[in-house]
This record gives sequence, structure tokens and C-alpha cells, in this order.
Amino acid sequence: GAVVSQHPSRVICKSGTSVKIECRSLDFQATTMFWYRQFPKKSLMLMATSNEGSKATYEQGVEKDKFLINHASLTLSTLTVTSAHPEDSSFYICSASEWGLAGSYEQYFGPGTRLTVT
Amino acid sequence: QKEVEQNSGPLSVPEGAIASLNCTYSDRGSQSFFWYRQYSGKSPELIMFIYSNGDKEDGRFTAQLNKASQYVSLLIRDSQPSDSATYLCAVRGSNYKLTFGKGTLLTVNP
Repeated sequence: GAVVSQHPSRVICKSGTSVKIECRSLDFQATTMFWYRQFPKKSLMLMATSNEGSKATYEQGVEKDKFLINHASLTLSTLTVTSAHPEDSSFYICSASEWGLAGSYEQYFGPGTRLTVT
Repeated sequence: QKEVEQNSGPLSVPEGAIASLNCTYSDRGSQSFFWYRQYSGKSPELIMFIYSNGDKEDGRFTAQLNKASQYVSLLIRDSQPSDSATYLCAVRGSNYKLTFGKGTLLTVNP
């Protein structure tokens, strides 16, 4: 159980275009989804936290107008990179959370999306 | 600023040896501690989590937590070449957000 999918797994786009990345929880309802970005040889950096039906909470330094997050249902969140530039090229990873047994709150990661902006 | 520190390595051990990975964290309010394994080009995979002081064992893996010292470690017994990966320590505070360390690259030599 606790499978999270992302689509697409890899995308190449031209500078100035927008790219949408989908994150789905396949076998559970995710109360919260998180979006991370990872540059080569760096750790995961949290970009934003999204709760179903409400606006996402962005981390300091992340432009909310550039990285649009929509969490329309308990199983789907989308990240849209608007007017992408080469410096946005990165590995974008989502995670989804559910309440587990004994009140734990686990995060399950999607397989990631490799974005290359040319 | 909540920080999670790891030795970036690389840590190199021979096959069959014990690999010891260490992590320190700055936020005393942290509640939960996780170890993830990440292969190159892939997303993190949860290996272990620990909430209470002491040791927690799962197969070849043992997580150790010392909240007084703000220290968490992961021991991998009988290391295998397939264990070669980057190991990420992550700490979760009361806001349920995970803060990751930069990871330790482990290489297990056949």
C-alpha cells in the first residue's frame, strides 16, 4: 500500500513555457501533499505544503506565482512551473501523507519528475 | 533555522562489514526521525523511522536515537553492494514538515 505516482517522469521544455506535474496517491487518501525540489548532489528542499481544498503554503524563497500548486482532491495535487527557465531544471518530487496506525503521520514519496528547460 | 547535519562521505566499506551513518539535528522540538535511501536518479525510499530514545532494529538495519545529544544514527549490518546509495536523514518537527540532511554517500565494495 501507500503508493504515490507522478507524471510525467521526465519532461523537456523550452524556456518560457509552462509545465504541469501531477502527483497522485493511488491507494489512500492524502490529507497533505508536499512538493520538493532536488538539485544535483543536493538534498531535498521543501517547496510547499498543500492541503486538499485550501491554498498551498510556500516555503521562504519559493515564488508562489511561479510554482502554482492545486490540490483539488484527496488523491491529486498538481505543480505547474510557469514561464520555466533553465535554472528551474531540477528533480521535482512529491510526497503524500496519511495518518497511520498509532497516530503516526508518514510521508510516501513519488518517483519524481526530471525537468529540463532548454 | 532548523538544521540536519550529515557527513557527506563518501563512506566506503567492504562487503559484509557494518556501515555506520550519523546525523545530528538542531531543533530540540523534533519528534520523529527517518532514514531514507536514495539511488542515483531515483526518489527517496523509507528505510527506518524512530520516535523514541534507544535502538530500533529491522532486519539488517538498526536506527539509534539519542534526543539528549540530538543525534540519530543508522547501522547497516552485513553490508551488500546493493546497499550502495545516498542515505538521507530526515527530521520532523511539530509542524509535520520534514527537514532533510544533505545525505551520506555509501559505497559497499565487493
